[in-house]
Amino acid sequence: QSVLTQPPSTSGTPGQRVTISCSGGNSNIGSNYVYWYHHLPGTAPKLLINRNNQRPSGVPDRFSGSKSGTSASLAISGLRSEDEADYYCAVWDDSLNGWVFGGGTKLTVL
Amino acid sequence: QITLKESGPALVKPTQTLTLTCNFSGFSLSTGGVGVGWIRQPPGKALEWLALIYWNDDKRYSPFLKSRLTITKDTSKNEVVLTMTNMDPVDTATYYCAHNWGWFDPWGQGILVTVSS
Repeated sequence: QSVLTQPPSTSGTPGQRVTISCSGGNSNIGSNYVYWYHHLPGTAPKLLINRNNQRPSGVPDRFSGSKSGTSASLAISGLRSEDEADYYCAVWDDSLNGWVFGGGTKLTVL
Repeated sequence: QITLKESGPALVKPTQTLTLTCNFSGFSLSTGGVGVGWIRQPPGKALEWLALIYWNDDKRYSPFLKSRLTITKDTSKNEVVLTMTNMDPVDTATYYCAHNWGWFDPWGQGILVTVSS
């Protein structure tokens, strides 16, 4: 069971907006930056959002991140079929003195 | 351009020690603030962080696996090695190494390691 809680799955239709939540605690999300990754099984995970809400170069502005207290969210607007993938949040945990990942959310584009 | 590539055995037997190597290019592990980490993903399960080594040889381990893990670096070879002792079938996973500068990016393509007799 992950320290960070994500919904196992979510879905949307092309063009829709979906959000994926990541819930943690004071020692992780409450104290440190949150990062989001896009992952297709068998490939290298790709950084989508760093430091809560910063998009690395090359990431479309359809992707946005936010954080409030001990929770964070990833929003994907203008949903496209190629967005179908697994999404993970990650954060440093001060109590564990290490990195923790969420359980992952599988996004299906209907 | 930063690239990383994992190498090691595809199959290990239970109780054996796994040794994985991460060879990288495009950065130096002698640069302040830089690290290389290992993360794994068992089939059908979530990503799990294992270990991280920094430019100054500071090391961090998952508290859940700390007793079984050792991470080392060879700066001259641009190489980071992870060893995991007493392998078990539940350790079957794709193992990734990744560049760290406060976060993991980019990642290697991963190597699937199966633990079976």
